[in-house]
Amino acid sequence: DTAVSQTPKYLVTQMGNDKSIKCEQNLGHDTMYWYKQDSKKFLKIMFSYNNKELIINETVPNRFSPKSPDKAHLNLHINSLELGDSAVYFCASSNFLGNEQFFGPGTRLTVL
Amino acid sequence: DQQVKQNSPSLSVQEGRISILNCDYTNSMFDYFLWYKKYPAEGPTFLISISSIKDKNEDGRFTVFLNKSAKHLSLHIVPSQPGDSAVYFCAASNYGGATNKLIFGTGTLLAVQP
Repeated sequence: DTAVSQTPKYLVTQMGNDKSIKCEQNLGHDTMYWYKQDSKKFLKIMFSYNNKELIINETVPNRFSPKSPDKAHLNLHINSLELGDSAVYFCASSNFLGNEQFFGPGTRLTVL
Repeated sequence: DQQVKQNSPSLSVQEGRISILNCDYTNSMFDYFLWYKKYPAEGPTFLISISSIKDKNEDGRFTVFLNKSAKHLSLHIVPSQPGDSAVYFCAASNYGGATNKLIFGTGTLLAVQP
């Protein structure tokens, strides 16, 4: 299956913990993204990487650290989780300057 | 500051009729617009797009219209089918910009009644 995949699909954790979400794409794209969809359903970009290089960093707290080991993977590590981090996080990929971004199924993060 | 707005949170349409979903934007630098469809517990999937040099793009049952002077676009689905029931997101970008950032609206939940 050619797709964007994310793990885990659901993540429930306590405040203060550190957690990671993994993303992989096998579409041959060179650009990957992380989006956050909050409780008001806003889908907002957080980060974008092109060929392992950070392109977009949208004033996200530095507790969030993306890591791109290669152009097919973009992981999201979150330190010291807060209640407000509860959201659905979507990974996406595209060709560079390709507007049609392909999304993963999302990871629902719940911080208790 | 919401640059892309979908003012109708929901829309209900009878099967076989036309669905019209609307989207307004404020940033005149946007020159590429997309519609995404999202089912529950899935990621958004690309549906159709339009460049600002066009005013209409059609793909099967889906047509997107762009009115640049009004900063307004709409998605028409004809005929509507129950399987079209989903949340539809409008998105905009500055195509060819260094960052290729998509700005999304808040979505419209379309319910197609059999």
